[in-house]
Amino acid sequence: EVQLVESGGGLVQPGGSLRLSCEVSGFTVSDNYMTWVRQAPGKGLEWVSFIFSRGSTYYAGSVKGRFTISRDNSKNTLYLQMNNLSAEDTAVYYCARFWGSYRPFDYWGQGTPVTVSS
Amino acid sequence: SYVLSQPPSVSVAPGQTARITCGGHTVGSNVHWYQQKPGQAPVLVVYDDSERPSGIPERFSGSNSGSTATLTISRVEAGDEADYHCQAWDSTNDRPDVAFGGGTKLTVL
Repeated sequence: EVQLVESGGGLVQPGGSLRLSCEVSGFTVSDNYMTWVRQAPGKGLEWVSFIFSRGSTYYAGSVKGRFTISRDNSKNTLYLQMNNLSAEDTAVYYCARFWGSYRPFDYWGQGTPVTVSS
Repeated sequence: SYVLSQPPSVSVAPGQTARITCGGHTVGSNVHWYQQKPGQAPVLVVYDDSERPSGIPERFSGSNSGSTATLTISRVEAGDEADYHCQAWDSTNDRPDVAFGGGTKLTVL
């Protein structure tokens, strides 16, 4: 059974940092394409970052230079390091899998909430 | 990335047909659709404009004509009440990019 379980969200002050984790079972993270997608309260979905199976990484303009996507193959886990957070980063963050460019996101985690507030 | 355009809300009576549109994607690009119920993660219901993942009822179908894609839900049931999001990849830049619509709230009257 495929499962993606996010963790690491919480309350952080503006300018602070958080690292989100996405533990995966049922498939190998390094063999797949993975993404982080976020959803601000009452808003639609927003793509944040990709990591391709080859290791290439891509970021939305709103987070480029502040967020870093990575994976630990030994733990079959995806990460999102988020630095210099602002109120605009407040959202539920989801990890998801896709099998290539132009493909849909077929498996999603349940999400972890991040609140940036003083 | 850019945002695709969706109507904020659609209302339909049980047993009727709901149609949700999505515009603004690159002509020729495939559109994917997700259903999201309150407090839950999105679930893929239609991909590549009109394909259904296994386990998704035949009542869910999709089409894509020019720059407007449409998700059609036939014989709507109370359990279909949810937010629906469209997604497309942007192929105009030299790097991969994904756009989502703002989401459409389907209300079953």
